[in-house]
Amino acid sequence: KAGVTQTPRYLIKTRGQQVTLSCSPISGHRSVSWYQQTPGQGLQFLFEYFSETQRNKGNFPGRFSGRQFSNSRSEMNVSTLELGDSALYLCASSLWGHQYEQYFGPGTRLTVT
Amino acid sequence: KNEVEQSPQNLTAQEGEFITINCSYSVGISALHWLQQHPGGGIVSLFMLSSGKKKHGRLIATINIQEKHSSLHITASHPRDSAVYICAVSFEETSGSRLTFGEGTQLTVNP
Repeated sequence: KAGVTQTPRYLIKTRGQQVTLSCSPISGHRSVSWYQQTPGQGLQFLFEYFSETQRNKGNFPGRFSGRQFSNSRSEMNVSTLELGDSALYLCASSLWGHQYEQYFGPGTRLTVT
Repeated sequence: KNEVEQSPQNLTAQEGEFITINCSYSVGISALHWLQQHPGGGIVSLFMLSSGKKKHGRLIATINIQEKHSSLHITASHPRDSAVYICAVSFEETSGSRLTFGEGTQLTVNP
């Protein structure tokens, strides 16, 4: 079974621009969660999608948004990029619920200059 | 204050040593995960626990629900075990798969 894939793997953007990151979950997994990892804040939950609906949202500004498609693929978008948005963005897929293991993708390394 | 506390933050060991990383959390959980992250960023799930003890090869994870504490043990450590180990929990009060993470433990095993 193919693992979780994320594209692109690396990205350099300028302040004020917007960016879209993509995540394809493991086949059969309908839950996709997004996380941000920075040296200062560690790993933080952004949001979770299940059946094309956002089910949980972390404490991030409205510039961070996401969506999920009918094939469970998910995208996240960050508008009006700030230097502090430079981070590793990870997605994880699973079946829905606490009792299921999450499988992480390789991440997208975003650098904002 | 983070709801998930890990200790130590950094750990250096000699090859062959027994290693313990600890994790404590503040409120009731549905599950606790131990994750491994190598340089480059990829995260691998090592264990998911809701009670008791699990073992995979040289790795052992235990959890004490009453004391809100978990430990990850590595027996006969090897340089390839060098990585960041992260404890993460699903709190009972939240739905879905949302995880809250500890700060991680940077483990270095010297030959």
